[in-house]
Amino acid sequence: AQSVTQPDIHITVSEGASLELRCNYSYGATPYLFWYVQSPGQGLQLLLKYFSGDTLVQGIKGFEAEFKRSQSSFNLRKPSVHWSDAAEYFCAVGVDSGGYNKLIFGAGTRLAVHP
Amino acid sequence: DVKVTQSSRYLVKRTGEKVFLECVQDMDHENMFWYRQDPGLGLRLIYFSYDVKMKEKGDIPEGYSVSREKKERFSLILESASTNQTSMYLCASSFWQDYGYTFGSGTRLTVV
Repeated sequence: AQSVTQPDIHITVSEGASLELRCNYSYGATPYLFWYVQSPGQGLQLLLKYFSGDTLVQGIKGFEAEFKRSQSSFNLRKPSVHWSDAAEYFCAVGVDSGGYNKLIFGAGTRLAVHP
Repeated sequence: DVKVTQSSRYLVKRTGEKVFLECVQDMDHENMFWYRQDPGLGLRLIYFSYDVKMKEKGDIPEGYSVSREKKERFSLILESASTNQTSMYLCASSFWQDYGYTFGSGTRLTVV
């Protein structure tokens, strides 16, 4: 069965420090992979996506993610975190379900940023 | 600016009530989705629709139904609300075969 695992429920970093959020997926075919961010009281906003090609993808707000097929991972990174990055982050995999596409989400990682 | 609008941000209903959650999109998207978001569980798909009057069950459809009479509107119905349906409900839409979903801001439903 398809699934997405985000091993870290909560992460706290200091402002200016680097960040890596982990994501592992389980899907038999070539995966379409996504990272979304949810600020408090808001819906989800797409940060970046991977469909094919270069395994390092750039997104909005200075985020990037690297697809590693051998590790079934799609980790999100940012070199220097800003206080405004405090939010919840969701990794997702796009799957084909009976000819329809749908997204399967991980449980999320809540990021806190210390000044 | 493209939008997915959910009619209520906060809703409080009593056990046994019939509850309607409304979602409207102005992007002419074919696909619309209802997700439920709970702490530690992420987003779980309840129902989705790929066309008017068409619906498909997601991963947790029990206790819910949906209606899509017009392309822009997708309603989630709780036939008889129960306390275990207290949650955040998120609506999303996308073009056909597009994984780039646009989400609404969510409706936080409390059933007492």
